[in-house]
Amino acid sequence: GAGVSQSPSNKVTEKGKDVELRCDPISGHTALYWYRQSLGQGLEFLIYFQGNSAPDKSGLPSDRFSAERTGGSVSTLTIQRTQQEDSAVYLCASSLEGRGEAFFGQGTRLTVV
Amino acid sequence: QQQVKQSPQSLIVQKGGISIINCAYENTAFDYFPWYQQFPGKGPALLIAIRPDVSEKKEGRFTISFNKSAKQFSLHIMDSQPGDSATYFCAASTVVQGAQKLVFGQGTRLTINP
Repeated sequence: GAGVSQSPSNKVTEKGKDVELRCDPISGHTALYWYRQSLGQGLEFLIYFQGNSAPDKSGLPSDRFSAERTGGSVSTLTIQRTQQEDSAVYLCASSLEGRGEAFFGQGTRLTVV
Repeated sequence: QQQVKQSPQSLIVQKGGISIINCAYENTAFDYFPWYQQFPGKGPALLIAIRPDVSEKKEGRFTISFNKSAKQFSLHIMDSQPGDSATYFCAASTVVQGAQKLVFGQGTRLTINP
């Protein structure tokens, strides 16, 4: 596709359940980011993938959060044993290696009830 | 040192006025400074960006002013329009060992009154 695609667009889950969020980056973009945006707040960095390098996981808030990127393309963010404080919009972005321009998807709005 | 501080948190401007949003940083290794615009329910979209070798960049009604010595940069929106009402984020990045990470400011909610 022409842009970054995220799915699902909305997800409601019960506390304690696991969720998977998917990101399809722009074709040819080697860098992929995950950010979290709580209501009315800024963008909190979660994890960064760049080519075949080890991912920068420094922003993951707890060991319940993990992410992988298969074949240098699609990425999945997994949250285990969800908590109410995990409710937020999860944004994925991609960019060309070595360039700062990041293109964002529409985000996945996660609500933990 | 990785933070980017953005102000104000919210801003109301009359139609036709100038909107000014400011950002400051500490890390002198930052070498790329983009601004993103976000409408409700949408992801942020790149608006305009600057590198530290220039002091100003203009695209239409949007201008970035960059002060390297003060480690500050700002977004100016001339002739502000109601359609400019959105949340604006400044950001900064650098490449370290082949990896880069965009660091965002906290955002400014801009409202343009008709």
